[in-house]
Amino acid sequence: DGGITQSPKYLFRKEGQNVTLSCEQNLNHDAMYWYRQDPGQGLRLIYYSQIVNDFQKGDIAEGYSVSREKKESFPLTVTSAQKNPTAFYLCASSIQARSTDTQYFGPGTRLTVL
Amino acid sequence: QQQVKQSPQSLIVQKGGISIINCAYENTAFDYFPWYQQFPGKGPALLIAIRPDVSEKKEGRFTISFNKSAKQFSLHIMDSQPGDSATYFCAASGSNDYKLSFGAGTTVTVRA
Repeated sequence: DGGITQSPKYLFRKEGQNVTLSCEQNLNHDAMYWYRQDPGQGLRLIYYSQIVNDFQKGDIAEGYSVSREKKESFPLTVTSAQKNPTAFYLCASSIQARSTDTQYFGPGTRLTVL
Repeated sequence: QQQVKQSPQSLIVQKGGISIINCAYENTAFDYFPWYQQFPGKGPALLIAIRPDVSEKKEGRFTISFNKSAKQFSLHIMDSQPGDSATYFCAASGSNDYKLSFGAGTTVTVRA
């Protein structure tokens, strides 16, 4: 099956800890994205990557970091600098980083800071 | 500051009824307007999209209406079914944009 996988589905973190969320795609897409979803706020873009070894900040990048060492993988690290990290995190991919290319989303990771 | 304003936040409709979700935007450079559907605990999936060269697009029971002069677009779900219960997001972008601007979402509940 082609698609996007995210792990873990649920993640709990203590304050002050960094945590890494996994995102893998086997769609052979060049572009990958990370979004944060909060109730009543829709989806907000954290980072996106157009190609391997390249990534750009989105609207709410502060307190987050990413890497893109392989085409199929785009992990997101939520650092201790992120003041309010509890949220639902969604990874997506598209053929290219054009808004008109359909974005395919993973099932999400729900992060809770204890 | 959201570039796309979506309403209502939630709605309840009886099976067989019509669900209507409205979105408004300010950026006149926007020329691509997709709608995404998200079931609980899942990621969103593209439902239907429209460009401003047409005023309406229909796919099955789902119809997008677009009013360029008013800078508004809406999603109509005809003959709503319990399986349509989900959160719906409108979005917008310009042709040269790399990202979509999403609305806040509307949770639709269809009662049997």
